[in-house]
Amino acid sequence: KQEVTQIPAALSVPEGENLVLNCSFTDSAIYNLQWFRQDPGKGLTSLLLIQSSQREQTSGRLNASLDKSSGRSTLYIAASQPGDSATYLCAVNAPDNQGGKLIFGQGTELSVKP
Amino acid sequence: NAGVTQTPKFRILKIGQSMTLQCTQDMNHNYMYWYRQDPGMGLKLIYYSVGAGITDKGEVPNGYNVSRSTTEDFPLRLELAAPSQTSVYFCASSPWTSGSLHEQYFGPGTRLTVT
Repeated sequence: KQEVTQIPAALSVPEGENLVLNCSFTDSAIYNLQWFRQDPGKGLTSLLLIQSSQREQTSGRLNASLDKSSGRSTLYIAASQPGDSATYLCAVNAPDNQGGKLIFGQGTELSVKP
Repeated sequence: NAGVTQTPKFRILKIGQSMTLQCTQDMNHNYMYWYRQDPGMGLKLIYYSVGAGITDKGEVPNGYNVSRSTTEDFPLRLELAAPSQTSVYFCASSPWTSGSLHEQYFGPGTRLTVT
């Protein structure tokens, strides 16, 4: 059974720091992995999608990597800003018989202090 | 495109009442999903649909029902609401076709409290 774990559960950093959020999954048979941002009381905003054949994706200050064989992904945020404060969720797309459902980690709550 | 829209945004139900959460997408996606998110947790799949007229259960389907009469709409029905159904409900859609990235797009969510 696929399980997704995110470490740490919470992270507080001063503004300007580079930081890494971690995501691990137990079954390497995935279609893709998505990173989402969720602001308090809001919905999910898709940040990056990495296909199973890719090693990384970049969008602005964000870089996501994927190592399928070891079941790991990282989200790198460069030069963090207070506006980056949110919960970050990773999810894997499982090629099982449930319509390509996403299996989510519990999230990392990021706080960037001015 | 409005993307995925959900109504209502908030709702308070009494135990035993029923309601329908509405979800509409205007991207012509064939796959649609309902997830719930409990405090401090990731999302769990309730039901999904691979096309109009086809629905199936996810991980946590008990107490819910769905229908998919059109490509655009995927309502979620709660019968006999229970406190355990207090949660935030997210609808999502995905273009599941050959060559697509299978990216899922989420609605803004419905916050439901059952008291």
